[in-house]
Amino acid sequence: NAGVTQTPKFQVLKTGQSMTLQCAQDMNHEYMSWYRQDPGMGLRLIHYSVGAGITDQGEVPNGYNVSRSTTEDFPLRLLSAAPSQTSVYFCASSYDPRAGELFFGEGSRLTVL
Amino acid sequence: DAKTTQPPSMDCAEGRAANLPCNHSTISGNEYVYWYRQIHSQGPQYIIHGLKNNETNEMASLIITEDRKSSTLILPHATLRDTAVYYCIVRGEGAQKLVFGQGTRLTINP
Repeated sequence: NAGVTQTPKFQVLKTGQSMTLQCAQDMNHEYMSWYRQDPGMGLRLIHYSVGAGITDQGEVPNGYNVSRSTTEDFPLRLLSAAPSQTSVYFCASSYDPRAGELFFGEGSRLTVL
Repeated sequence: DAKTTQPPSMDCAEGRAANLPCNHSTISGNEYVYWYRQIHSQGPQYIIHGLKNNETNEMASLIITEDRKSSTLILPHATLRDTAVYYCIVRGEGAQKLVFGQGTRLTINP
């Protein structure tokens, strides 16, 4: 099993550009989520999904869109990148939406100029 | 979910037990205590969780006080690879999102 796979690992964008961070898991997990982590800070939840076709907002959803068309994939879209979105993004999944044991990807480091 | 308080940093000698405290005085009866760690810039890694009883697995032990207002994560024989930020999180069984605070930066010294 590959676990949780995030692509790309590094990305540089200009202000106003759009892009999609990809997240895929091969563990048949129902729950998936996106976090961002700024320097010296803990993780903040952006969006999450409890199953295909179901998404909801987390703590800091503004400027991001998500969709969940399959169990395996949970892409995060930045509609119009801003320097404040410079961060490291982590995708996580869990076998059960009620379970607190999350499996994290290795992260995607995004810089917006 | 209840708020947690952890010391910002701790040091421990290699080979000794590392004891990481967490205060969660407002925890309610159906809330679990979870511990994660984050090594350098990697994604967080689940360590252990518990409700009332002490728990042990291959990575660590979790000691929860009888009143459940605090807990301690114990790494029995710390190695240099245990240097990481350790997060203590409290959440209810029905809550679908984990809230990560600032954690404790644990440094294992040779």
